[in-house]
This record gives sequence, structure tokens and C-alpha cells, in this order.
Amino acid sequence: GAVVSQHPSWVICKSGTSVKIECRSLDFQATTMFWYRQFPKQSLMLMATSNEGSKATYEQGVEKDKFLINHASLTLSTLTVTSAHPEDSSFYICSARAPRAIGLRETQYFGPGTRLLVL
Amino acid sequence: AQRVTQPEKLLSVFKGAPVELKCNYSYSGSPELFWYVQYSRQRLQLLLRHISRESIKGFTADLNKGETSFHLKKPFAQEEDSAMYYCALKVSGTYKYIFGTGTRLKVLA
Repeated sequence: GAVVSQHPSWVICKSGTSVKIECRSLDFQATTMFWYRQFPKQSLMLMATSNEGSKATYEQGVEKDKFLINHASLTLSTLTVTSAHPEDSSFYICSARAPRAIGLRETQYFGPGTRLLVL
Repeated sequence: AQRVTQPEKLLSVFKGAPVELKCNYSYSGSPELFWYVQYSRQRLQLLLRHISRESIKGFTADLNKGETSFHLKKPFAQEEDSAMYYCALKVSGTYKYIFGTGTRLKVLA
């Protein structure tokens, strides 16, 4: 099957610093990746769609200058939380769209998530 | 508005009892619906899709357009079914998914 990894799995940072989270598709190329945010006991909320080689598409209400997304290669997308504040503390999950040509059952594979705590 | 509603945050059943996890949706187009499962300390993974009309691990789900529902069912729950279950709607023409808030299923011995 297809595997998506995220790094780091958890991070603690001081308020005002920037944090970068990586999302990698390990055994397939993903032209499209997605970034979700999940608050405790709440649903996954789509933040943005990351397209390789082009600008990310952000959902309504998500600050693009706050959450910088870069999809520089077919296997890597990064989410940078700039000038992080305590309210940015959350669980960030990425997913990658698997090409139909691979013949996989699923169309979207999820990473294990990154827990961010901003002090 | 596009929305997925899972009214139950927690559902506890005894082993061997039937299970039904409710999911209702609001969508103007033709819906494509999914159930995802997240076992303890594991990532989110696809359980089943309505278009495949499949049964996975004994679970089935039928799309009822009249009631705008896609409830997940299993006739006999097992302890290993204990997990977090999310209902999701794929927005037509995109790869965007809208998730419900999830239902935690606890199967008691």
C-alpha cells in the first residue's frame, strides 16, 4: 500500500517562532496533498490543497500568510506555521492523493499527524 | 451548505451486539461518501466507500438519498472494532473531503 509520513510527529515551540512540518509520500508520487487541522474532540478541517509546482489553494478563513505551504516535489509538501501563537496549537494532518494508475483502493492516504504545542 | 453530521460522540456496545454509527449529510450535488476509521495510535484509514457497495471487516453502509444518510452498520461487534469512526463526503469534481466530527466506538467485553 501507499505510505505517507510526517515529520516531526510532535513539536513544542515558543510563541513567535516558526515551525515547519513535512509531509512525504514514501512510495508513490502525489501531485496533490492536503493539510488538515484537528482540534481536540473535533473533526478534521481542511486547511489547504497543495499542488506540486503551483500555489496552494486555501480554504475560507485560513490565513495563507500564517500557514505557508510549499509543494516543491512530487513527494514532499511542507506546512510552515509562521509566528506561532498558543491558539495555533493543534494536531496537523496531511494526506496525499494516490494516482489511479497505481490501482490502489484508496484515493487519499493520511499521514500520522503532527502535534504542535505553542507555549 | 456542505456538511456531514455524526450525532453521537461516543457509542458503547457489548461484544456481539449490533452496531450502527449514524451519519447524515447535507450536499446539493450527487454525494460520494466514505467511512474512515482511526484505531488507537494509528493513522486515519479508509474503511469503506459507498460506491463500492462493499463489506469490510463485517461493516456495511448504505447510502439513503431520501434521508440523506450513510449509516455504518455491523451485526455483531468485536472488541477490535473499538476505534474512532469518521464519515466523510467528497466534494464532486474535487479531491476535497468534508469530515464529520467522528464517533468513538467502544466495544465492551
